[in-house]
Amino acid sequence: DTGVSQNPRHKITKRGQNVTFRCDPISEHNRLYWYRQTLGQGPEFLTYFQNEAQLEKSRLLSDRFSAERPKGSFSTLEIQRTEQGDSAMYLCASSLDPPRYGYTFGSGTRLTVV
Amino acid sequence: GENVEQHPSTLSVQEGDSAVIKCTYSDSASNYFPWYKQELGKGPQLIIDIRSNVGEKKDQRIAVTLNKTAKHFSLHITETQPEDSAVYFCAAPGTGRRALTFGSGTRLQVQP
Repeated sequence: DTGVSQNPRHKITKRGQNVTFRCDPISEHNRLYWYRQTLGQGPEFLTYFQNEAQLEKSRLLSDRFSAERPKGSFSTLEIQRTEQGDSAMYLCASSLDPPRYGYTFGSGTRLTVV
Repeated sequence: GENVEQHPSTLSVQEGDSAVIKCTYSDSASNYFPWYKQELGKGPQLIIDIRSNVGEKKDQRIAVTLNKTAKHFSLHITETQPEDSAVYFCAAPGTGRRALTFGSGTRLQVQP
């Protein structure tokens, strides 16, 4: 297992465009999390899944954001009608339930909205 | 939800000195306290964690202490080395199945 994989690593998009990011978690991990991180800040929670069920969503997750985890495997995070304020690093993590061994993070997708 | 505060925001030490980073949390139901290290361009990496049934845990040069009564926990790095330079984050889960809430981070710089 190569850990948590995120694609793409970098994404530059024009304001108003839609973007989609993918996360492939560690295969035996049933929990998957999305966080957003801006420069100089800690990761901010967006949403998490246990298997295919989305169990919690942050108030940060506006209606322009949607996340899915079909079949409880990989996950996608889509941002519609991107705004400059969406520019950030989007981090994905996975863990067992309960997270006895902590989260394993991917390297993130850096989004720049121009 | 959980609120985690972390201090200091930046810390500069000489190689070989010790470094201490402190965090406080608000939800007394939190029972798991991890610390993560993040290097430039990478995701956070778990370096040590502690559960609420112990007061201290050590792994080589890194130790974490927990004071449940005061609701604070600390990361201690001894004999610091230049490769310890990174941003460190504490986190806590809060009540129930909530995801981790992270502190704002401490940028540690170890001067050779």
